[in-house]
Amino acid sequence: EVQLVQSGAEAKKPGESLRISCKGSGHSFNNYWISWVRQMPGKGLEWVGKIDLSDSKTHYSPSFQGHVTISADRSINTAYLQWRSVKASDIAIYYCARHSAPGFTYGPFDSWGQGTLVTVSS
Amino acid sequence: YDLTQPPSVSVSPGQTVSITCSGDKLGERFACWYQQKPGQSPVLVIYQDTKRPSGIPERFSGSNSGNTATLTISGTQAMDEADYYCQTWDSNTGVFGGGTKLTVL
Repeated sequence: EVQLVQSGAEAKKPGESLRISCKGSGHSFNNYWISWVRQMPGKGLEWVGKIDLSDSKTHYSPSFQGHVTISADRSINTAYLQWRSVKASDIAIYYCARHSAPGFTYGPFDSWGQGTLVTVSS
Repeated sequence: YDLTQPPSVSVSPGQTVSITCSGDKLGERFACWYQQKPGQSPVLVIYQDTKRPSGIPERFSGSNSGNTATLTISGTQAMDEADYYCQTWDSNTGVFGGGTKLTVL
């Protein structure tokens, strides 16, 4: 069974750096794309960006470009989402999601992580 | 690129309900649908407009034509109460609709 296991909840202060992770198990993800999706409190889903685990090629939503970085370590089936400086407006649950087949840059997202809650407060 | 969904829809148990998703020439792209229950991660229920993933009940169906994609649930059950999101791609960027809260009265 395919599983995406995300790192635990994070509590940060404004301006701090942060990296959250998404580890795949039960299947090799090396040729899959992984997307990150944000859900702010009580709000809908927003696509953040994606990474191809085969070559670490990335693409970002214009809304998030320059504010977050997506990376991966294919040797351990893990994708990352990171911030150099978090802000209060980054408070949200962040999900990783696997695209449904190797090389499928356009999804759909057939497996989702359990979500990582990020809180930011001084 | 924007996808527009009604904020809420209600249905009686056993009845059929449709949730729409509108976008410019959406029918020329693939659309998919995700179900999200409170406190849970989203689940894919329809992909490539009309296809159901393994394990999704047959009562879920989809269509996509013109400017509108539609998710239809036949014989709606109480367990179908959830938020539903449509999603497509535009210029290599993922786009979600705003979501529709389905209430089963």
